[in-house]
Amino acid sequence: GQNIDQPTEMTATEGAIVQINCTYQTSGFNGLFWYQQHAGEAPTFLSYNVLDGLEEKGRFSSFLSRSKGYSYLLLKELQMKDSASYLCAVLSYNTDKLIFGTGTRLQVFP
Amino acid sequence: NAGVTQTPKFRILKIGQSMTLQCAQDMNHNYMYWYRQDPGMGLKLIYYSVGAGITDKGEVPNGYNVSRSTTEDFPLRLELAAPSQTSVYFCASSHYEGQGAGNEQFFGPGTRLTVL
Repeated sequence: GQNIDQPTEMTATEGAIVQINCTYQTSGFNGLFWYQQHAGEAPTFLSYNVLDGLEEKGRFSSFLSRSKGYSYLLLKELQMKDSASYLCAVLSYNTDKLIFGTGTRLQVFP
Repeated sequence: NAGVTQTPKFRILKIGQSMTLQCAQDMNHNYMYWYRQDPGMGLKLIYYSVGAGITDKGEVPNGYNVSRSTTEDFPLRLELAAPSQTSVYFCASSHYEGQGAGNEQFFGPGTRLTVL
C-alpha cells in the first residue's frame, strides 16, 4: 500500500526559514509533489521532484531522497501570506494516481 | 483560459436527495479527477478518467458515479445523499506526459456540500 506522513501543524516567524518534512512508502514511485492550499481555496502546485536532490524555485525549495522515502519543502524569508496548508503527494506509476498526505498547516506570526 | 471550473460553489442537500456536481476544463487535458476533502484532512480520490469514455475508481468511490462523454466535462453524481458525504469536492485535470514528467494537476475552486 501507500502511506504518507507529514506533521500536522507548524509555526514560524515572519522572515524566518521553515522546513516541512514528508516521508512516504509507495510501490512504483513516479514523483513527489508539493501543493499549497490557503484556507477555503483550492490547492495550487508548488513543486515536483522525481530525481534525488534539491529543486529551487524562488523562496521555495523541495528536496527528495528516494532511497529514504523522504522529501522536504523549504520556505525562506517567510511572509504572512505563506500561512497555509502544505500538501505532500506521491504519484505511483503502478496506479497512476496521486496519493495525498493530510497536509501540514503552517502559521506565520509577525 | 478559464482553467478548471466547478458548479455549484455551495449546496445543501437533504438525506436521500440526488445531485450532480459539474466540472469542466478548457486546457484540453486528457486526465480528470474528483477528490473530496474533509476538514483537516488531505484529499481523497473518488474517481478519475484518463480520457473521454474511460473512468476508474479511486480510493473512496462508494456513493458516487461519474461519466466522461467529452474531453472537457467530468460530472460527479450523488444518487442518495448521506451525511457522510458532507465535504468539499475538488475537480482537477492534468495533461499526462508519461512517467517521470510533471503531470501537474490543476484544481477547480471546489464545491462545498452539506447533507442534512
